[in-house]
Amino acid sequence: QSALTQPASVSGSPGQSITISCTGTASDVGSYNFVSWYQQHPGKAPKLIISDVYNRPSGVSNRFSGSKSGNTASLTISGLQADDEADYYCSSFTTSSTRVFGGGTKLTVL
Amino acid sequence: EVQLLESGGGLVQPGGSLTLSCAASGFTFSSYAMSWVRQAPGKGLEWVSIIFSGGSRTDYADSVKGRFTISRDISKNTLYLQMISLRAEDTAIYYCARGRHNSDYWGHGTLVTVSS
Repeated sequence: QSALTQPASVSGSPGQSITISCTGTASDVGSYNFVSWYQQHPGKAPKLIISDVYNRPSGVSNRFSGSKSGNTASLTISGLQADDEADYYCSSFTTSSTRVFGGGTKLTVL
Repeated sequence: EVQLLESGGGLVQPGGSLTLSCAASGFTFSSYAMSWVRQAPGKGLEWVSIIFSGGSRTDYADSVKGRFTISRDISKNTLYLQMISLRAEDTAIYYCARGRHNSDYWGHGTLVTVSS
């Protein structure tokens, strides 16, 4: 149950786009389209922003989008805003019927 | 409105036990798988355990297997996590979350501190 691999940090200026990668294995990301992404502001609970690789829950901005290729999933945030500054985590269902999270990525809006 | 409210956290000595609760409301509790996810201070999220909607199947992370037990009481709309043989590395905020393949609703969390 090794954690999925995410970059520790990414940054971008307001209005720009950034992409966060999430690399797993054939036993998790590569096996199912059950990759989800969570946004967490300091002191707050995580919030689901992408489910099943591509789907945005109701109320989540269309500036957030997800994709997957092989064992790597990606989260793209377009039109960066100050409030996007947060920690982002990916998660995947696994072939053991468990779940695994990535180590998290700190997004800084410059 | 879906609400998840955890309770039961606190300070416990190494080797001790604690039971966390998560009161659910605003949805049909029996129809959803429920998970516990934890976050050590300043660290990332770690999936801990899941109980499926039927209640008969449970799964655990290797780090807690044999020490933690997840259960649910449908009549009380409450999820539990029984923790024994607690270690310093179990210190974390424990969140309950709804869903099997992803977690669409989360509670605010309850802090468990394992220290002498």
